Amino acid sequence: GQQVMQIPQYQHVQEGEDFTTYCNSSTTLSNIQWYKQRPGGHPVFLIQLVKSGEVKKQKRLTFQFGEAKKNSSLHITATQTTDVGTYFCASGGFKTIFGAGTRLFVKA
Amino acid sequence: DTGVSQDPRHKITKRGQNVTFRCDPISEHNRLYWYRQTLGQGPEFLTYFQNEAQLEKSRLLSDRFSAERPKGSFSTLEIQRTEQGDSAMYLCASSHSGRARDTQYFGPGTRLTVL
Repeated sequence: GQQVMQIPQYQHVQEGEDFTTYCNSSTTLSNIQWYKQRPGGHPVFLIQLVKSGEVKKQKRLTFQFGEAKKNSSLHITATQTTDVGTYFCASGGFKTIFGAGTRLFVKA
Repeated sequence: DTGVSQDPRHKITKRGQNVTFRCDPISEHNRLYWYRQTLGQGPEFLTYFQNEAQLEKSRLLSDRFSAERPKGSFSTLEIQRTEQGDSAMYLCASSHSGRARDTQYFGPGTRLTVL
Protein backbone atom coordinates (compact mmCIF):
# COMPACT_ATOMS: atom_id res chain seq x y z
CA GLY A 1 0.00 0.00 0.00
CA GLN A 2 0.90 3.64 -0.24
CA GLN A 3 3.44 4.85 2.28
CA VAL A 4 5.06 8.17 2.99
CA MET A 5 8.47 8.26 4.60
CA GLN A 6 9.70 11.26 6.55
CA ILE A 7 13.19 12.35 7.46
CA PRO A 8 14.71 13.25 9.78
CA GLN A 9 12.98 11.66 12.74
CA TYR A 10 14.23 14.38 15.08
CA GLN A 11 15.85 17.78 14.60
CA HIS A 12 17.38 20.00 17.27
CA VAL A 13 17.98 23.62 16.25
CA GLN A 14 19.00 26.82 17.91
CA GLU A 15 16.35 29.50 17.81
CA GLY A 16 16.85 31.51 14.64
CA GLU A 17 18.22 28.61 12.62
CA ASP A 18 16.34 27.16 9.66
CA PHE A 19 14.67 23.75 9.63
CA THR A 20 13.60 21.42 6.84
CA THR A 21 11.70 18.15 6.89
CA TYR A 22 11.34 15.88 3.88
CA CYS A 23 8.62 13.50 2.80
CA ASN A 24 9.11 10.78 0.19
CA SER A 25 6.98 8.18 -1.50
CA SER A 26 7.77 5.40 -3.95
CA THR A 27 4.47 6.05 -5.72
CA THR A 28 2.95 9.17 -7.23
CA LEU A 29 0.86 11.05 -4.71
CA SER A 30 -2.46 12.66 -5.54
CA ASN A 31 -1.79 15.35 -2.96
CA ILE A 32 0.40 16.14 0.02
CA GLN A 33 -0.83 17.58 3.28
CA TRP A 34 1.17 18.93 6.19
CA TYR A 35 0.08 18.91 9.81
CA LYS A 36 1.63 20.20 13.02
CA GLN A 37 1.14 18.50 16.39
CA ARG A 38 2.26 20.33 19.49
CA PRO A 39 3.45 18.23 22.44
CA GLY A 40 0.34 16.82 24.13
CA GLY A 41 -1.88 18.17 21.38
CA HIS A 42 -3.64 16.91 18.30
CA PRO A 43 -2.70 17.27 14.61
CA VAL A 44 -3.58 20.64 13.12
CA PHE A 45 -3.86 21.02 9.36
CA LEU A 46 -1.37 23.44 7.82
CA ILE A 47 -1.70 23.14 4.07
CA GLN A 48 -2.46 20.90 1.10
CA LEU A 49 -0.56 20.84 -2.20
CA VAL A 50 -1.95 19.13 -5.29
CA LYS A 51 -0.02 20.38 -8.31
CA SER A 52 3.33 19.14 -9.57
CA GLY A 53 6.08 21.56 -8.55
CA GLU A 54 3.73 23.60 -6.40
CA VAL A 55 5.25 25.95 -3.83
CA LYS A 56 3.25 27.70 -1.13
CA LYS A 57 4.30 30.00 1.67
CA GLN A 58 2.77 30.75 5.03
CA LYS A 59 4.81 33.44 6.76
CA ARG A 60 8.09 31.68 7.67
CA LEU A 61 6.93 28.28 6.35
CA THR A 62 7.56 27.19 2.75
CA PHE A 63 5.97 24.04 1.37
CA GLN A 64 7.03 22.34 -1.85
CA PHE A 65 5.59 19.46 -3.87
CA GLY A 66 8.04 17.72 -6.17
CA GLU A 67 7.78 17.73 -9.93
CA ALA A 68 7.16 13.98 -9.98
CA LYS A 69 4.67 14.29 -7.08
CA LYS A 70 6.67 11.74 -5.09
CA ASN A 71 8.28 14.05 -2.57
CA SER A 72 7.62 17.16 -0.57
CA SER A 73 9.37 19.41 1.89
CA LEU A 74 8.52 21.86 4.62
CA HIS A 75 11.05 24.57 5.37
CA ILE A 76 10.89 26.92 8.34
CA THR A 77 13.01 30.04 8.21
CA ALA A 78 14.41 31.46 11.43
CA THR A 79 12.76 29.05 13.84
CA GLN A 80 11.08 30.28 16.99
CA THR A 81 10.27 28.41 20.19
CA THR A 82 6.62 28.41 19.12
CA ASP A 83 7.58 26.15 16.19
CA VAL A 84 8.26 23.26 18.58
CA GLY A 85 6.24 20.15 17.77
CA THR A 86 5.99 17.28 15.35
CA TYR A 87 5.40 17.96 11.68
CA PHE A 88 3.62 15.26 9.70
CA CYS A 89 3.19 14.89 5.98
CA ALA A 90 0.18 12.96 4.80
CA SER A 91 -1.49 12.01 1.58
CA GLY A 92 -4.78 10.68 0.36
CA GLY A 93 -8.43 11.54 0.45
CA PHE A 94 -10.77 10.09 3.01
CA LYS A 95 -8.16 7.41 3.71
CA THR A 96 -5.26 9.64 4.66
CA ILE A 97 -1.85 8.03 5.15
CA PHE A 98 0.48 9.85 7.55
CA GLY A 99 4.23 9.77 7.76
CA ALA A 100 5.90 9.09 11.10
CA GLY A 101 6.65 12.79 11.55
CA THR A 102 9.68 14.92 12.29
CA ARG A 103 9.93 16.18 15.83
CA LEU A 104 11.40 19.66 16.06
CA PHE A 105 13.16 20.90 19.19
CA VAL A 106 14.08 24.58 19.36
CA LYS A 107 16.58 25.81 21.93
CA ALA A 108 16.21 29.41 22.98
CA ASP B 1 -17.57 26.15 15.14
CA THR B 2 -16.89 24.66 18.53
CA GLY B 3 -14.46 22.14 17.14
CA VAL B 4 -14.37 18.37 17.30
CA SER B 5 -14.89 17.03 20.79
CA GLN B 6 -14.10 13.60 22.17
CA ASP B 7 -15.13 11.88 25.35
CA PRO B 8 -13.57 10.67 27.54
CA ARG B 9 -10.17 12.29 27.24
CA HIS B 10 -8.52 9.48 29.18
CA LYS B 11 -9.56 5.90 29.83
CA ILE B 12 -7.76 3.30 31.91
CA THR B 13 -9.13 -0.20 31.72
CA LYS B 14 -8.15 -3.74 32.52
CA ARG B 15 -7.38 -6.23 29.82
CA GLY B 16 -10.48 -8.00 28.63
CA GLN B 17 -12.88 -5.15 29.37
CA ASN B 18 -14.93 -3.34 26.74
CA VAL B 19 -14.56 0.39 26.17
CA THR B 20 -16.53 2.91 24.15
CA PHE B 21 -15.41 6.33 22.97
CA ARG B 22 -17.53 9.14 21.61
CA CYS B 23 -16.75 11.76 18.99
CA ASP B 24 -18.83 14.84 18.24
CA PRO B 25 -17.77 16.38 14.94
CA ILE B 26 -18.01 19.98 13.88
CA SER B 27 -21.65 20.62 13.13
CA GLU B 28 -22.61 20.14 9.49
CA HIS B 29 -19.46 18.15 8.77
CA ASN B 30 -20.68 15.12 6.85
CA ARG B 31 -17.44 13.14 7.01
CA LEU B 32 -15.99 11.60 10.13
CA TYR B 33 -12.78 9.66 10.60
CA TRP B 34 -11.19 7.58 13.34
CA TYR B 35 -7.44 7.23 13.70
CA ARG B 36 -5.13 5.56 16.18
CA GLN B 37 -1.81 7.09 17.18
CA THR B 38 0.94 5.45 19.17
CA LEU B 39 3.97 7.19 20.64
CA GLY B 40 6.40 8.43 18.01
CA GLN B 41 4.14 7.56 15.10
CA GLY B 42 1.73 9.40 12.87
CA PRO B 43 -2.00 8.78 13.04
CA GLU B 44 -3.09 5.49 11.47
CA PHE B 45 -6.39 5.47 9.61
CA LEU B 46 -9.01 3.18 11.14
CA THR B 47 -12.34 3.98 9.52
CA TYR B 48 -14.38 6.64 7.72
CA PHE B 49 -18.03 7.65 7.60
CA GLN B 50 -19.88 9.76 5.12
CA ASN B 51 -23.05 10.77 6.90
CA GLU B 52 -24.19 7.55 8.62
CA ALA B 53 -22.56 5.17 6.15
CA GLN B 54 -19.27 3.49 7.07
CA LEU B 55 -17.50 3.54 3.72
CA GLU B 56 -14.02 2.32 4.54
CA LYS B 57 -12.48 0.22 7.26
CA SER B 58 -8.77 -0.41 7.70
CA ARG B 59 -7.38 -3.91 7.99
CA LEU B 60 -5.94 -2.64 11.28
CA LEU B 61 -9.46 -2.77 12.66
CA SER B 62 -9.90 -6.26 14.01
CA ASP B 63 -13.27 -7.83 14.72
CA ARG B 64 -13.00 -6.49 18.27
CA PHE B 65 -13.40 -2.96 16.96
CA SER B 66 -16.68 -1.50 15.82
CA ALA B 67 -17.68 2.02 14.95
CA GLU B 68 -21.07 3.58 14.40
CA ARG B 69 -22.51 6.89 13.36
CA PRO B 70 -26.22 6.19 13.69
CA LYS B 71 -27.69 9.56 12.77
CA GLY B 72 -24.84 10.99 10.78
CA SER B 73 -23.79 13.24 13.63
CA PHE B 74 -21.79 11.86 16.58
CA SER B 75 -19.88 8.60 16.33
CA THR B 76 -18.84 5.89 18.76
CA LEU B 77 -15.87 3.56 18.63
CA GLU B 78 -16.11 0.41 20.71
CA ILE B 79 -13.28 -1.95 21.51
CA GLN B 80 -14.28 -5.31 22.92
CA ARG B 81 -12.04 -7.56 25.01
CA THR B 82 -9.28 -4.95 25.16
CA GLU B 83 -5.66 -6.04 24.89
CA GLN B 84 -2.52 -4.24 26.03
CA GLY B 85 -1.66 -3.59 22.38
CA ASP B 86 -4.78 -1.46 22.11
CA SER B 87 -3.17 1.19 24.32
CA ALA B 88 -2.92 4.31 22.15
CA MET B 89 -4.43 7.70 21.46
CA TYR B 90 -7.66 7.40 19.51
CA LEU B 91 -8.26 10.47 17.38
CA CYS B 92 -11.41 11.55 15.65
CA ALA B 93 -11.52 14.03 12.78
CA SER B 94 -14.28 15.55 10.70
CA SER B 95 -14.54 17.35 7.40
CA HIS B 96 -17.08 18.67 4.97
CA SER B 97 -16.91 17.34 1.44
CA GLY B 98 -16.74 20.25 -0.97
CA ARG B 99 -15.36 22.76 1.51
CA ALA B 100 -11.72 23.82 1.74
CA ARG B 101 -10.56 20.70 -0.08
CA ASP B 102 -12.15 18.50 2.57
CA THR B 103 -9.76 19.64 5.30
CA GLN B 104 -9.79 17.31 8.29
CA TYR B 105 -10.12 18.87 11.74
CA PHE B 106 -8.95 16.69 14.58
CA GLY B 107 -10.35 16.38 18.07
CA PRO B 108 -8.20 16.25 21.22
CA GLY B 109 -8.24 12.46 21.29
CA THR B 110 -9.00 9.78 23.85
CA ARG B 111 -5.94 8.23 25.46
CA LEU B 112 -6.55 4.56 26.24
CA THR B 113 -4.37 2.65 28.66
CA VAL B 114 -4.98 -1.08 28.97
CA LEU B 115 -3.46 -2.62 32.09
